[in-house]
Amino acid sequence: GENVEQHPSTLSVQEGDSAVIKCTYSDSASNYFPWYKQELGKGPQLIIDIRSNVGEKKDQRIAVTLNKTAKHFSLHITETQPEDSAVYFCAERAGGYQKVTFGTGTKLQVIP
Amino acid sequence: DTEVTQTPKHLVMGMTNKKSLKCEQHMGHRAMYWYKQKAKKPPELMFVYSYEKLSINESVPSRFSPECPNSSLLNLHLHALQPEDSALYLCASSSYRGGSYEQYFGPGTRLTVT
Repeated sequence: GENVEQHPSTLSVQEGDSAVIKCTYSDSASNYFPWYKQELGKGPQLIIDIRSNVGEKKDQRIAVTLNKTAKHFSLHITETQPEDSAVYFCAERAGGYQKVTFGTGTKLQVIP
Repeated sequence: DTEVTQTPKHLVMGMTNKKSLKCEQHMGHRAMYWYKQKAKKPPELMFVYSYEKLSINESVPSRFSPECPNSSLLNLHLHALQPEDSALYLCASSSYRGGSYEQYFGPGTRLTVT
């Protein structure tokens, strides 16, 4: 994988609302798309991932969608809570290659 | 146990010092990574070890020297660093599952070079 664009760079939502973060990649060989949450003073934590043979994956309040044709993937957080406030990074990896390419990050603030 | 530990948490060193960062995991992962993260930026890959052998070096300056003594430990030896090397250094490990690698990160070492 090479470039991953991530938008928006900052996002503020009211508690209980939904948040959506979008990423675009360029490498057609990309087939694994993880999302990481990084809280202040901590390392990134894998929160959900999706592989290229799946269009959507959901885990409680978090869902990820993938459009391989358009090379887009998105993170959806529903019923946001203050503890969801963090920086979120999308990432992609091509094949069995070990290198992950990260997006530029989105700082999410959930306002109580 | 899905924990990657890193020591020390904070490190301040002068440009002539020699220091080492340590990383440990007991998840049986055979790939381990060093990343550098500057403030408000994504992690940047530095090195990857696979089965205790260096498999990726992202053109990192020789003042950073990685070492993988065994499958659970990863070190990063630092020598003659520059102030611009101040950053959060993250260690990660991964397992190969379902056709992809899932990476687990440690909390990082906050390095300040004076």
